[in-house]
Amino acid sequence: DAGITQSPRHKVTETGTPVTLRCHQTENHRYMYWYRQDPGHGLRLIHYSYGVKDTDKGEVSDGYSVSRSKTEDFLLTLESATSSQTSVYFCAISARGTGRQVSSYNEQFFGPGTRLTVL
Amino acid sequence: TQLLEQSPQFLSIQEGENLTVYCNSSSVFSSLQWYRQEPGEGPVLLVTVVTGGEVKKLKRLTFQFGDARKDSSLHITAAQPGDTGLYLCAGLPYGSSNTGKLIFGQGTTLQVKP
Repeated sequence: DAGITQSPRHKVTETGTPVTLRCHQTENHRYMYWYRQDPGHGLRLIHYSYGVKDTDKGEVSDGYSVSRSKTEDFLLTLESATSSQTSVYFCAISARGTGRQVSSYNEQFFGPGTRLTVL
Repeated sequence: TQLLEQSPQFLSIQEGENLTVYCNSSSVFSSLQWYRQEPGEGPVLLVTVVTGGEVKKLKRLTFQFGDARKDSSLHITAAQPGDTGLYLCAGLPYGSSNTGKLIFGQGTTLQVKP
């Protein structure tokens, strides 16, 4: 158990409203990731973080922002939600990472997911 | 853009049958992982393969990494209903070790009927 929780687990919102999803970890891992999962697309990386206040974009970052003010929390924000952002969102941490380098394997452990519906 | 193509996307078989899931790419990966995901939960790591030609076995599951490190396969022997789930492969491209960014396949949904 990598001690990863996500909140909320389910959310229904309306187009144009802001939404923030939270990922919390208890094991002080340096690297954290946000993915979205849609049928036929597997997992697609939205943003990732390699330390407090150190973040970078993934392949589907448009319409999303992130923040990491403390090691244990990684927040994903949809500034103005759209129906195309209806998805299941997963947070993950890397199994290992010392300094700026992750291990060459980078096994990841995932949270339970947040199901977001934008009407 | 680096891609991992998984096949088949859906597989429905009877208990006791064997099956193979494939994960292919034109890119080379420094390592490749397989995950299993059940409905309503996050993916769970099954195995990591790191050496070209490597074969790893976990009970009835056999994982192989291609010699050229561009492809992998998952073979399940005598499938059981408990094997039902979504299987995902994920590769770590060369040059990504400092970010840890994985490339995921689309997934294979396996249903094993009693």
